[in-house]
Amino acid sequence: GAVVSQHPSWVICKSGTSVKIECRSLDFQATTMFWYRQFPKQSLMLMATSNEGSKATYEQGVEKDKFLINHASLTLSTLTVTSAHPEDSSFYICSARVPRGGYNEQFFGPGTRLTVL
Amino acid sequence: QKEVEQNSGPLSVPEGAIASLNCTYSDRGSQSFFWYRQYSGKSPELIMFIYSNGDKEDGRFTAQLNKASQYVSLLIRDSQPSDSATYLCAVNLVTSGTYKYIFGTGTRLKVLA
Repeated sequence: GAVVSQHPSWVICKSGTSVKIECRSLDFQATTMFWYRQFPKQSLMLMATSNEGSKATYEQGVEKDKFLINHASLTLSTLTVTSAHPEDSSFYICSARVPRGGYNEQFFGPGTRLTVL
Repeated sequence: QKEVEQNSGPLSVPEGAIASLNCTYSDRGSQSFFWYRQYSGKSPELIMFIYSNGDKEDGRFTAQLNKASQYVSLLIRDSQPSDSATYLCAVNLVTSGTYKYIFGTGTRLKVLA
């Protein structure tokens, strides 16, 4: 299967600072990556769809100026949480779409746990 | 109505029994369906996908899809304590050329030794 990595795996920051999370496809090229957020005991909520070379598509209710997404290459997408606050503390997970003939498979990164103090 | 619905559980089954997990979805345009397993603090891992009506078997796992009734299920035979996790149902939607995955809230499975 395809391998997706994320860095860092966890981060603790002070309120008001910005945090960048990287998502890399290691052994394949990903034209489309997804960013999810998961709060404790809740499901994955899609934040945005990241397409290489174009602007990300954000889900309703997700602030694009707060969650900056850049997908500058076929193997790297980044999510920057700007001016982070304690309510942004969550588990952030990226995934990459891999077309397989008539359907699409999705491979997840290991996730990044963000704690904002 | 939520787009993808699952019973949150917990669903408790004894070791060796069959665990049955169900999922319903609302969008008839859904093309493919996935079951993921998620252990606490970890990201989801794919168990199976299905996109045609009927059953699909892979080892101890069987996925069942009924597009007319808009449900998809996952059967786990010979359940093991290591199967204890949250199982997420996901649906792939394609709208205006945009691919999107919608997840259910997950069913927590407990396999009792």
